Amino acid sequence: GDSVTQMEGPVTLSEEAFLTINCTYTATGYPSLFWYVQYPGEGLQLLLKATKADDKGSNKGFEATYRKETTSFHLEKGSVQVSDSAVYFCALSEANAGGTSYGKLTFGQGTILTVHP
Amino acid sequence: DSGVTQTPKHLITATGQRVTLRCSPRSGDLSVYWYQQSLDQGLQFLIQYYNGEERAKGNILERFSAQQFPDLHSELNLSSLELGDSALYFCASSVTMTSMEQYFGPGTRLTVT
Repeated sequence: GDSVTQMEGPVTLSEEAFLTINCTYTATGYPSLFWYVQYPGEGLQLLLKATKADDKGSNKGFEATYRKETTSFHLEKGSVQVSDSAVYFCALSEANAGGTSYGKLTFGQGTILTVHP
Repeated sequence: DSGVTQTPKHLITATGQRVTLRCSPRSGDLSVYWYQQSLDQGLQFLIQYYNGEERAKGNILERFSAQQFPDLHSELNLSSLELGDSALYFCASSVTMTSMEQYFGPGTRLTVT
């Protein structure tokens, strides 16, 4: 079945440091890939997505590129802020060749990010 | 604020009991998903409804059931509760059953004692 593997956390960085959170996946078909963020006490929010190979998703300074050859979707940010402290989830949704999603999300285990001033 | 509401926010109950969690999707969204977040299992998909009909099932126990009502709100019923059912239960909604984007509610934290 489908699965998503994220780098183990927690990750602790100083403000303005470079962030990478690794994510690899196993899927059949044509998965779409997502990064969700969960701030303390809140639900998940979609951070960015990519629906096909070589697509780059970006939002709020975060980026991730869909790499089919390495089955990866690593999250990066050039300069993190204290406000980026949260739990980050990589996820996939299977889709058919036409790009129609099957709906359900399969999540990685989450990576806790703490950014210190 | 995603527009998805869940009640109650917190629920504490004893083993063997039954509880009902409620979710109201974003206005206009027809599909509702339920997920369970626990320390040992992570975030897992439980079940999906679209316009009142069950569309997909994940790792949902037989003791759990759900439904989506004509006004599109959904309820997740958990019965014969065990300590291991303690978790955060999220509801998400999307416009259609194949939409890429799901919008998550704030969750209901269930503690079984």
